[in-house]
Amino acid sequence: GAVVSQHPSRVICKSGTSVKIECRSLDFQATTMFWYRQFPKKSLMLMATSNEGSKATYEQGVEKDKFLINHASLTLSTLTVTSAHPEDSSFYICSAGRTGQTYEQYFGPGTRLTVT
Amino acid sequence: AQSVTQLGSHVSVSEGALVLLRCNYSSSVPPYLFWYVQYPNQGLQLLLKYTSAATLVKGINGFEAEFKKSETSFHLTKPSAHMSDAAEYFCAVSGGNDMRFGAGTRLTVKP
Repeated sequence: GAVVSQHPSRVICKSGTSVKIECRSLDFQATTMFWYRQFPKKSLMLMATSNEGSKATYEQGVEKDKFLINHASLTLSTLTVTSAHPEDSSFYICSAGRTGQTYEQYFGPGTRLTVT
Repeated sequence: AQSVTQLGSHVSVSEGALVLLRCNYSSSVPPYLFWYVQYPNQGLQLLLKYTSAATLVKGINGFEAEFKKSETSFHLTKPSAHMSDAAEYFCAVSGGNDMRFGAGTRLTVKP
């Protein structure tokens, strides 16, 4: 149990366009989902925390208008990178915490975004 | 607030040798501690976790870690390295609401 999926696994988009990444908890309900960004050969950097039905909480330095997060249901959160630029190219990983158990997160397989 | 420090960004061992990856944590509340492994272009795979039960935690693929409160450490060990253990390893700490990762340690296994 506790499987998290991400779609797409990799995406290439042109500079100036927007791209949406989906994160789904397949076999459990997740009140809280997290979005991370990972640069090559670096650790995971928390971008934002989203709670179902409310606005996401962004980490310092993360542009909320650029990285739009929606958590409309207990099994789905989406990250939309708006007006993407080459510097947004990165590996994006989501995770989900079970409702009522927030200390552990279950991670998705990641999405490789390349902006040309 | 929680944080972890992984000592050694790169560890190299010979196949069959002991693997020791170091992690020290800082937490203002009783911590939950995790070790993850990441292979190239893949997500994180949980190796093991400490959730305030037994201090010696056994995980998958022969790995184990010991929680030492007095040393604020949670080092990862494996008695005998295998070529397939070559990967990036991350230590993480959770205080209940979010998770913070160490910088990672790249393990290389020499034949």
